[in-house]
Amino acid sequence: SQKIEQNSEALNIQEGKTATLTCNYTNYSPAYLQWYRQDPGRGPVFLLLIRENEKEKRKERLKVTFDTTLKQSLFHITASQPADSATYLCALPRWGKLVFGTGTRLLVSP
Amino acid sequence: DGGITQSPKYLFRKEGQNVTLSCEQNLNHDAMYWYRQDPGQGLRLIYYSQIVNDFQKGDIAEGYSVSREKKESFPLTVTSAQKNPTAFYLCASSRTGPTTDTQYFGPGTRLTVL
Repeated sequence: SQKIEQNSEALNIQEGKTATLTCNYTNYSPAYLQWYRQDPGRGPVFLLLIRENEKEKRKERLKVTFDTTLKQSLFHITASQPADSATYLCALPRWGKLVFGTGTRLLVSP
Repeated sequence: DGGITQSPKYLFRKEGQNVTLSCEQNLNHDAMYWYRQDPGQGLRLIYYSQIVNDFQKGDIAEGYSVSREKKESFPLTVTSAQKNPTAFYLCASSRTGPTTDTQYFGPGTRLTVL
């Protein structure tokens, strides 16, 4: 069966460092992949979309890569700030729907 | 401001009661969705609608019902048939269908069954 896997353990990093989050998927070849940010008790907010023919996408301090051979997307936040602390979700289109991963919580310490 | 509103933010229900969660959008989006989020789990799709007066079941539709009488509104009813209704409910919308566009989420409603 098709799976989307994100690290369930929280990622703790110091302010100023680069955070790297991983989204792995199996048994599937999506045309694109999306990343969302979710703060506690709030709805997810769309951040970036990367298509299968794009290796990398950037937006300000955010960078997303998409390796269709490894079936993996990496989400990077450079020069991280405490305000970046949140849960980050990846999502892929599948069976006519958008399927979300469970998310990885990022904690940035000052 | 354009966006999605959900009400109420917190909702308490006694066992055996039906309850309706409101979702309104003024983004002029065609598609709307309801998700359920439980601790440690991803978003699970309950129902979605791509056009007025039409909707489809998602992965966990049992015990829920929806209507789409207006483009702007997509209310969700949690019925007494839903065995474990306590959860965080999220409404979302997108300009077009679920696999062709990004989704915009509301602030969520936290439902607690007493």
